[in-house]
Amino acid sequence: GAVVSQHPSRVICKSGTSVKIECRSLDFQATTMFWYRQFPKQSLMLMATSNEGSKATYEQGVEKDKFLINHASLTLSTLTVTSAHPEDSSFYICSAISWRATFEQYFGPGTRLTVT
Amino acid sequence: AQTVTQSQPEMSVQEAETVTLSCTYDTSESDYYLFWYKQPPSRQMILVIRQEAYKQQNATENRFSVNFQKAAKSFSLKISDSQLGDAAMYFCAYRSVAGGTSYGKLTFGQGTILTVHP
Repeated sequence: GAVVSQHPSRVICKSGTSVKIECRSLDFQATTMFWYRQFPKQSLMLMATSNEGSKATYEQGVEKDKFLINHASLTLSTLTVTSAHPEDSSFYICSAISWRATFEQYFGPGTRLTVT
Repeated sequence: AQTVTQSQPEMSVQEAETVTLSCTYDTSESDYYLFWYKQPPSRQMILVIRQEAYKQQNATENRFSVNFQKAAKSFSLKISDSQLGDAAMYFCAYRSVAGGTSYGKLTFGQGTILTVHP
């Protein structure tokens, strides 16, 4: 099946700094990518939808200026957590869909962010 | 807006036995997709099974099958011959067929943690 990678898998940063997480579709062109946040033993919460070449659409309650999403190409989307604080510590998951696959949504392995 | 409800936070099953995970959803749409995803301790999301709402036949994938009751808006997952590797968190998810800004968006239930006892 299609593969989606995320980098880094784990990151620790200091409070007040910014951190970038990359999401890549390795063997297909992703028309749309999604970013989720997940706390331990909880469900995935959709943060934003990212379409190549256009601005991301954020879910209600998600701070656009804090979670910057860029979808520069059909294979790469990035999530930048700006001025990170300990409460931003979480597991971030991206997923991607392709126009070729009507049903499938391919998930990345996730990135654990810890803000100290 | 659609909602998905999983009312069983935790379930357990003995190895080789059968377990059923419940899921209900609410929607005003007539056509949509439903999914069950598995998230093992590695936290990689794995698609277990999908169901297209226009299909009356229940989907099956080896030991996994669903009971899709469209009128009742119910979509349960049955795992037969449970194996230790089935231990994971399971999520029920809904996806609209509509386009626009909602295209491809998944709405997840709260999840059910499944423990498999040897």
